[in-house]
Amino acid sequence: EVQLVESGGGLVQPGRSLRLSCAASGFTFDDYAMHWVRQAPGKGLEWVSGITSHSGSIGYADSVKGRFTVSRDNAKNSLYLQMNSLRAEDTAFYYCSKAMCGDYEGCAFDIWGQGTMVTVSS
Amino acid sequence: QAVLTQPSSLSASPGASASLTCTLRSGINVGTYRIYWYQQKPGSPPQYLLRYMSDSDKQRGSGVPRRFSGSKDASANAGILLISGLQSEDEADFYCMIWHSSGWVFGGGTKLTVL
Repeated sequence: EVQLVESGGGLVQPGRSLRLSCAASGFTFDDYAMHWVRQAPGKGLEWVSGITSHSGSIGYADSVKGRFTVSRDNAKNSLYLQMNSLRAEDTAFYYCSKAMCGDYEGCAFDIWGQGTMVTVSS
Repeated sequence: QAVLTQPSSLSASPGASASLTCTLRSGINVGTYRIYWYQQKPGSPPQYLLRYMSDSDKQRGSGVPRRFSGSKDASANAGILLISGLQSEDEADFYCMIWHSSGWVFGGGTKLTVL
């Protein structure tokens, strides 16, 4: 069974950092690009970042560029999101999602994790 | 103006059909975009439904019923998700998405009520 399990969310003060992790199983992790998508409480979906299967290409939404860094460890079947200089508007559920091919630009996401909640507040 | 605009809500009766629209901003031609659709039920992550580019380039997600289909309305510059034979379990939020200007862009979502 294909499974994505996010962890690392929590309550953090504005300006601080947090690192999210996503553990993948049930598929050949290094064949697929991966994404982070977030959803503020009661709001819609927002793509955050994508990374190709072997980390050759990475993309970010303008809202997080320069503050967030995505990475992956194919040996550990894991995806990460390092979030620095956090703001109140970063408060959201963060979902890890699997792309349908190795390119994060060319194909969308088919499998989603359950998400992890990040709350930025003093 | 948002890149993708969806009506905030739509109501339909069980057994009827529902047509959910996703209108692209003026200047962005729907004919050149693959449109993806996702369904999200309360308390759950989104689920991939389908993608639609044309009748010769379309794909339904694994396990997605044939009641869900995609199309485009070029005159309205919109993508359409058609759900036929509505069931109470179809009640959810639906999001469209495209790849645009080096990023994935979602519409604001449509809350479908089946009553």
